[in-house]
Amino acid sequence: QKEVEQNSGPLSVPEGAIASLNCTYSDRVSQSFFWYRQYSGKSPELIMSIYSNGDKEDGRFTAQLNKASQYVSLLIRDSQPSDSATYLCAATFMDTGRRALTFGSGTRLQVQP
Amino acid sequence: DTAVSQTPKYLVTQMGNDKSIKCEQNLGHDTMYWYKQDSKKFLKIMFSYNNKELIINETVPNRFSPKSPDKAHLNLHINSLELGDSAVYFCASQKSGEAFFGQGTRLTVV
Repeated sequence: QKEVEQNSGPLSVPEGAIASLNCTYSDRVSQSFFWYRQYSGKSPELIMSIYSNGDKEDGRFTAQLNKASQYVSLLIRDSQPSDSATYLCAATFMDTGRRALTFGSGTRLQVQP
Repeated sequence: DTAVSQTPKYLVTQMGNDKSIKCEQNLGHDTMYWYKQDSKKFLKIMFSYNNKELIINETVPNRFSPKSPDKAHLNLHINSLELGDSAVYFCASQKSGEAFFGQGTRLTVV
C-alpha cells in the first residue's frame, strides 16, 4: 500500500460550490498531516495543517482528520477559479524517526467560472 | 526577503555533465530537504539535513550529493547527469512538519 494516496482527478466543481478533496494513508505511526497547494509551474505552499482528530477551519478551508479510518480531507467552501490548482496531501511518519514529509500524488482541482 | 531561495530556476545541460543547485533559507530552521518532482508531479524526498548532519538518504543514486556548509544552506551536486534526471528539484526548509519550498529548479538533461 502506498503511504499516502489521493485521487489524481481532475475534480471539477462550479464556482461557489464546495470542493472536497480526500486522502488516505498507510497504517504507520503517523504524526501530522498537511495540505499543500501547488499552482502550475510553482512550488507547493502550505495551506492547512492538522494534528488531532476532528475538524480545523481556516477561512474557506476546513481540514478533517479521522485517525481510526486513516483518512484526511480538505473542504474548500465557495470555491473560486483562483482555487484551481493541484492539492497535495502530506504526512509525517514517526516509526523510523523520520520527520520528512511523505506526499500523495496530488489531486488536480478545476473550478469552473 | 524570500524565505527559501534556490538557483538557478532553469538548468539545461548535456548528459555526462556535473551541475550544482544552490539553496538558502533565512527562516532559522534546523532542517532542510531536497525533493524531486517528476513529470507526473509526484513529489519525493531525496535528502534531509538537520544541523549539518544527513539524517535521511532515500534510494537516490550516489551521483547525487548534498552539501551543507551551514544550517542556512543546502546545495545539491549532481555528477554524470543522465536523461532520467530531468525533473523539477525543490529545496525546502522545515519546522514541525511545516515545509517552506524554494521556487524549484527545472533541470533538463539533453
